[in-house]
Amino acid sequence: SQELEQSPQSLIVQEGKNLTINCTSSKTLYGLYWYKQKYGEGLIFLMMLQKGGEEKSHEKITAKLDEKKQQSSLHITASQPSHAGIYLCGADPGTYKYIFGTGTRLKVLA
Amino acid sequence: GAVVSQHPSWVICKSGTSVKIECRSLDFQATTMFWYRQFPKQSLMLMATSNEGSKATYEQGVEKDKFLINHASLTLSTLTVTSAHPEDSSFYICSASGASGVNEQFFGPGTRLTVL
Repeated sequence: SQELEQSPQSLIVQEGKNLTINCTSSKTLYGLYWYKQKYGEGLIFLMMLQKGGEEKSHEKITAKLDEKKQQSSLHITASQPSHAGIYLCGADPGTYKYIFGTGTRLKVLA
Repeated sequence: GAVVSQHPSWVICKSGTSVKIECRSLDFQATTMFWYRQFPKQSLMLMATSNEGSKATYEQGVEKDKFLINHASLTLSTLTVTSAHPEDSSFYICSASGASGVNEQFFGPGTRLTVL
């Protein structure tokens, strides 16, 4: 079955630093979603990528999907404490059901 | 647009009782709703998929008699945890699709269930 692997599992950075989170799939993705979650709360939609080579940005967050549509990265520029949380990648493998990555826990030290 | 609500946001119940969690699509008709469970420090695990007017499809390992799902209308799905036990304590999240005509899912804020 298809799986999504995220790396790193956890990340602690100093405020102002840049960081990157990766999401890798064993098979081609039909849609790749990035979400942010605070523990015990719902998912906040960040971005959706569908085309190979696609890149989207919102405020200080940029997400990219590689040409083969098997790997995505989420990059945060000049991180702030408000960026702290759990980042999840989710994907539609073409079966209308989502699969989710294992999550990356981000802490930003002020 | 595409807002999904859940009620209640948290619930505490005694072991052996049943608990119902509602998931509503507020501004669109959800042809399909999904129920997920999330354990602490873990990712979301899909429990079941429900389509309006038909029986839910459960993922392998999920007890359908324990987790009853009803999708009675295009805006409401309910998850009932029957005879709840402490091991059922978890964070339950629903999602709904059908807003944009594609498979994109919109997530509810989640319900934290604690069984004493």
